[in-house]
Amino acid sequence: DTAVSQTPKYLVTQMGNDKSIKCEQNLGHDTMYWYKQDSKKFLKIMFSYNNKELIINETVPNRFSPKSPDKAHLNLHINSLELGDSAVYFCASRGTSGDSYNEQFFGPGTRLTVL
Amino acid sequence: AQKVTQAQTEISVVEKEDVTLDCVYETRDTTYYLFWYKQPPSGELVFLIRRNSFDEQNEISGRYSWNFQKSTSSFNFTITASQVVDSAVYFCALSEAGYNFNKFYFGSGTKLNVKP
Repeated sequence: DTAVSQTPKYLVTQMGNDKSIKCEQNLGHDTMYWYKQDSKKFLKIMFSYNNKELIINETVPNRFSPKSPDKAHLNLHINSLELGDSAVYFCASRGTSGDSYNEQFFGPGTRLTVL
Repeated sequence: AQKVTQAQTEISVVEKEDVTLDCVYETRDTTYYLFWYKQPPSGELVFLIRRNSFDEQNEISGRYSWNFQKSTSSFNFTITASQVVDSAVYFCALSEAGYNFNKFYFGSGTKLNVKP
């Protein structure tokens, strides 16, 4: 029944490692997002895909690479992790009709800690 | 310039007090959407309300109410008779229907502490 799911929920890793976070939505939405929430709770959009096509790419280091194998999945791969990458990463999809039009449906978040 | 401003960083109230969280937005689009989300200490983001720019009616849902005023570009959120479970960070957000249709702009959040 979960609408937007992310794995893993927690990720602890060493500096310099490469890691991936997976996101899946079963809502039939066309547009998905990745957000980063820092320790001060600022929510910042990173990327957005619409039907597997990249449509938003904010000023994010190119160590971050999103991949969308199909419109229900949007994964985030991070190379050469740095201390500053420690944050909570939220995946979201955008409602496309009715009362949920334009609403962001969020996943539970992935807390990434880089040591 | 910030699209969404939540000037109150943190508010503390005692249970049963009423509290209003302010949100001011900026847009040139005539069609846009405003949202409030709640983030409790457990961390998930919970949708509270969506308002489109053509609907200025105020909304009430239980102890929650929202006041949308286009004249002052504000979309304020009031909790009546606050409870400890209302303690959370609350985010106001804006989505435009024009060129930046796919973007979603969040305010910096207001942390509400409700003390027993």
